[in-house]
Amino acid sequence: NAGVTQTPKFQVLKTGQSMTLQCAQDMNHEYMSWYRQDPGMGLRLIHYSVGAGITDQGEVPNGYNVSRSTTEDFPLRLLSAAPSQTSVYFCASSVQGGRYGYTFGSGTRLTVV
Amino acid sequence: SQQGEEDPQALSIQEGENATMNCSYKTSINNLQWYRQNSGRGLVHLILIRSNEREKHSGRLRVTLDTSKKSSSLLITASRAADTASYFCATEGSSGYSTLTFGKGTMLLVSP
Repeated sequence: NAGVTQTPKFQVLKTGQSMTLQCAQDMNHEYMSWYRQDPGMGLRLIHYSVGAGITDQGEVPNGYNVSRSTTEDFPLRLLSAAPSQTSVYFCASSVQGGRYGYTFGSGTRLTVV
Repeated sequence: SQQGEEDPQALSIQEGENATMNCSYKTSINNLQWYRQNSGRGLVHLILIRSNEREKHSGRLRVTLDTSKKSSSLLITASRAADTASYFCATEGSSGYSTLTFGKGTMLLVSP
């Protein structure tokens, strides 16, 4: 079992560029989420999905889009990168939401210059 | 907004000692979870305690939950250098779809 796989691990973008952070899980989990982690801020929820075709906004959704066409994949799109989006991004998945704990990917460290 | 607040922000102990971290939260919850994060890595789920439970054990971990005070504690007994990491509490709210809200974490340093 690979668990939750995030790609790329590192990325540098210029302001205004767009990109997609990939997230895939092979555990048939219904719930998937994207978080960003900034120094001293803990993890903040960006978007989440409770199943294929269903997504919703979290605490900090501005500047990000998501879609969930399959159970396995939950990509996060940055539409026009800004320096404020410099962060470490984590994807997580779970069966039935957080009731049994989430499995996290290893993260994508994004720098926007 | 952050739901949980861990205390202390940083904790430094010697191997063999016990480490206690506390978490306070603001709204009603279904459960509270603790996660560990090693430097530069993803989070690892440690233990989950439901709102109707008061104490739970897993190996060297002991978690308590006091819903009347909206607080939880994580005790790591007989700490090892490998326990050095950041520890986060996360709460699942009692309404709507279940998502986790994280605190800012406690950084634990265990010295040999």
